[in-house]
Amino acid sequence: KAGVTQTPRYLIKTRGQQVTLSCSPISGHRSVSWYQQTPGQGLQFLFEYFSETQRNKGNFPGRFSGRQFSNSRSEMNVSTLELGDSALYLCASSLGQGIFYTFGSGTRLTVV
Amino acid sequence: GQQLNQSPQSMFIQEGEDVSMNCTSSSIFNTWLWYKQEPGEGPVLLIALYKAGELTSNGRLTAQFGITRKDSFLNISASIPSDVGIYFCAGQANNNDMRFGAGTRLTVKP
Repeated sequence: KAGVTQTPRYLIKTRGQQVTLSCSPISGHRSVSWYQQTPGQGLQFLFEYFSETQRNKGNFPGRFSGRQFSNSRSEMNVSTLELGDSALYLCASSLGQGIFYTFGSGTRLTVV
Repeated sequence: GQQLNQSPQSMFIQEGEDVSMNCTSSSIFNTWLWYKQEPGEGPVLLIALYKAGELTSNGRLTAQFGITRKDSFLNISASIPSDVGIYFCAGQANNNDMRFGAGTRLTVKP
């Protein structure tokens, strides 16, 4: 069974640009959650999608958005990038609420 | 955001030593999870605990779900160099929100 796939693995963007990251969950998993990981802040919850609906949202500005498609694949978008957005963005999928996550390898975003 | 207190923040140990780390919370959790993250990768689930008092082993790893449901610990026995990484605890509450600890960075010297 394929794991959680995140693309791209690495990305370098310039301040002010926007970026879209993709996450393909494990087949059959309908819940996808996104986290931002930085050395100083650890794992910070961005949002969770289940069956194409955003179910939970963390405390991030509106520049961070996401969506989920009917095949459960999810994308997250960050607009007007800032230097502080440089981080490892992790996606995790699960069968549903109350079931533990399986994480992808992450997308490392560097904003210069 | 993080609502779990995980300690220690980092550990430097000699190969063969045992390791212990723990997580505490002011909130009650229904599930405690322990993950390990290696450089450049996402966290990988090591152990899941579902019941207060539960003690579960996975090879050299042992974890326990505290009786109060507000804490958990992870022990690694006879550490080896490949145990190096960051260990995260995670707690899942009634509303299914997942909260993570800040991680324990483990370094094992051969």
